[in-house]
Amino acid sequence: QKEVEQNSGPLSVPEGAIASLNCTYSDRGSQSFFWYRQYSGKSPELIMSIYSNGDKEDGRFTAQLNKASQYVSLLIRDSQPSDSATYLCAVNTGFQGAQKLVFGQGTRLTINP
Amino acid sequence: KAGVTQTPRYLIKTRGQQVTLSCSPISGHRSVSWYQQTPGQGLQFLFEYFSETQRNKGNFPGRFSGRQFSNSRSEMNVSTLELGDSALYLCASSEAGSNYGYTFGSGTRLTVV
Repeated sequence: QKEVEQNSGPLSVPEGAIASLNCTYSDRGSQSFFWYRQYSGKSPELIMSIYSNGDKEDGRFTAQLNKASQYVSLLIRDSQPSDSATYLCAVNTGFQGAQKLVFGQGTRLTINP
Repeated sequence: KAGVTQTPRYLIKTRGQQVTLSCSPISGHRSVSWYQQTPGQGLQFLFEYFSETQRNKGNFPGRFSGRQFSNSRSEMNVSTLELGDSALYLCASSEAGSNYGYTFGSGTRLTVV
């Protein structure tokens, strides 16, 4: 079992709709979780971080965390063509202060005008 | 604030050679991590440095090594290059503590021929 799993997609969503991206992880001790966006040919860009169970909203983005189910999700409301990118879920599996982000394979999202 | 700076942006090396990649983190960031990104394997963790000490290491052969200097700048070295080492090498920096996400540099695209 991979440490961090995502549906590879591609996920196609019409403009203005809600895009839902999901991620599961295997390390129950993980405490911090991140979503990155990566445009083709560019490096990953941090868009959301979440540490506590529940929802965290930032503009059109909402991250959801359920540690009991080892599940993280990202919702993008009012999707725009500029949201078309690969979205990477990352889990910090480091301990005692050391950091080790483990990434999923990414979900390719396409927003159709 | 300047971002994470990686040099060089592109490199072409011959099998068997060695290569050194450089990374300057965001000012004040003391944790520096390195990742290898390939289409098949995605983003894979190489190692993390904090205050000149390697705190974490991924599952890569000993040909991959790194170091961090007192000003937090980091270098990564790959010896005896193999064709399979062709990849995008990404450096990322973070403030201390596991709850801070990483900011990535633009990467070094290494091609081994």
